[in-house]
Amino acid sequence: LAKTTQPISMDSYEGQEVNITCSHNNIATNDYITWYQQFPSQGPRFIIQGYKTKVTNEVASLFIPADRKSSTLSLPRVSLSDTAVYYCLVGVPRSSSASKIIFGSGTRLSIRP
Amino acid sequence: DAGITQSPRHKVTETGTPVTLRCHQTENHRYMYWYRQDPGHGLRLIHYSYGVKDTDKGEVSDGYSVSRSKTEDFLLTLESATSSQTSVYFCAISAGQLAGANVLTFGAGSRLTVL
Repeated sequence: LAKTTQPISMDSYEGQEVNITCSHNNIATNDYITWYQQFPSQGPRFIIQGYKTKVTNEVASLFIPADRKSSTLSLPRVSLSDTAVYYCLVGVPRSSSASKIIFGSGTRLSIRP
Repeated sequence: DAGITQSPRHKVTETGTPVTLRCHQTENHRYMYWYRQDPGHGLRLIHYSYGVKDTDKGEVSDGYSVSRSKTEDFLLTLESATSSQTSVYFCAISAGQLAGANVLTFGAGSRLTVL
């Protein structure tokens, strides 16, 4: 999987829009970009995935520029419950035996009242 | 999470004893993973499986072994537990098809304390 770089931590306030950017300069043509959210004492939870341009679901939006070397997870109008660690994953396993999925350090998002 | 269960959820054991954690899935997914997570740190891959009896090492496999004798079960064994293996262990599953390969569903975790 491609190496990713995210900010270690971010702070914001309730009601604000939060954008978390992930850099993935070595992204390959067939790679997808996947984001996870992890609350304390829980396993990560899939929140969104995209390949290019923009993807939106009930939780977040994912913006991917044309060169696909970065992506931005956008959380609209955050609340205290959005405080979590967010992980960006990039890639598609090339074969069954090469299906390692390794997480980076993630971004610790703290939302304040 | 629905479709994936880990047992035990909590275990306290002593140094030198063997420990087995079980991950059970009802989704018939091909891929299964074991991760560990230490306080304030990210997830580290221990071992993974890409089919029955097909397993491979992850980032931190020393001191751990795995077995997958049937699709639904993936066992993680600590042959002789050490205090450095005190951690929360997460199992995850994936259908492993193209874009879906990166879409993992995680279990609730197993908290292991080695005294």
